[in-house]
Amino acid sequence: GAVVSQHPSRVICKSGTSVKIECRSLDFQATTMFWYRQFPKQSLMLMATSNEGSKATYEQGVEKDKFLINHASLTLSTLTVTSAHPEDSSFYICSALDRGGFRYGYTFGSGTRLTVV
Amino acid sequence: DAKTTQPPSMDCAEGRAANLPCNHSTISGNEYVYWYRQIHSQGPQYIIHGLKNNETNEMASLIITEDRKSSTLILPHATLRDTAVYYCIVRVEAGNTPLVFGKGTRLSVIA
Repeated sequence: GAVVSQHPSRVICKSGTSVKIECRSLDFQATTMFWYRQFPKQSLMLMATSNEGSKATYEQGVEKDKFLINHASLTLSTLTVTSAHPEDSSFYICSALDRGGFRYGYTFGSGTRLTVV
Repeated sequence: DAKTTQPPSMDCAEGRAANLPCNHSTISGNEYVYWYRQIHSQGPQYIIHGLKNNETNEMASLIITEDRKSSTLILPHATLRDTAVYYCIVRVEAGNTPLVFGKGTRLSVIA
């Protein structure tokens, strides 16, 4: 089946620094990828929709200048958390839709646990 | 907003069937019912989906009521590894709209 690789799985960074998270579709082309954030004991919250070759669409309340998304190819989307602060500590998850219209929905990455100290 | 309602938690004895209910009374005619689960600190995993007929695969069975306003996910022989949060989601099969997650049901399988 479709596989989405997400790296790193865990990252600890100092407050004020930037962190990049990669999401790769390994065996299919993904025209659309989604980024979610999940706080402890809460559900996944959609942050943004990433379309290959165009600007990302952000959900209300998500700062586009803080969470930079790049989807430069059909197999890679990146999320950069700029000037991270402790409140950005969370579990970040990407998902991808097969360009061919994967009828089973979306494939998810394994997630990235970000801790800002 | 999520269009489904699920109980917040359930327990199931290991080896027994786990029946997870979901209400989706406002489902549209072209929307499917999808089930995903999330094991602790992992990304969600697809389980099964259906439109109106009951479905079965190697992981689970999906029973959808005739009026499509509710469904039940059945794990026939629950194991400790099935302990997870289970999400019921309705969406159209085609298109690139994102999955909208509700709060899900936290299933605890007990030895």
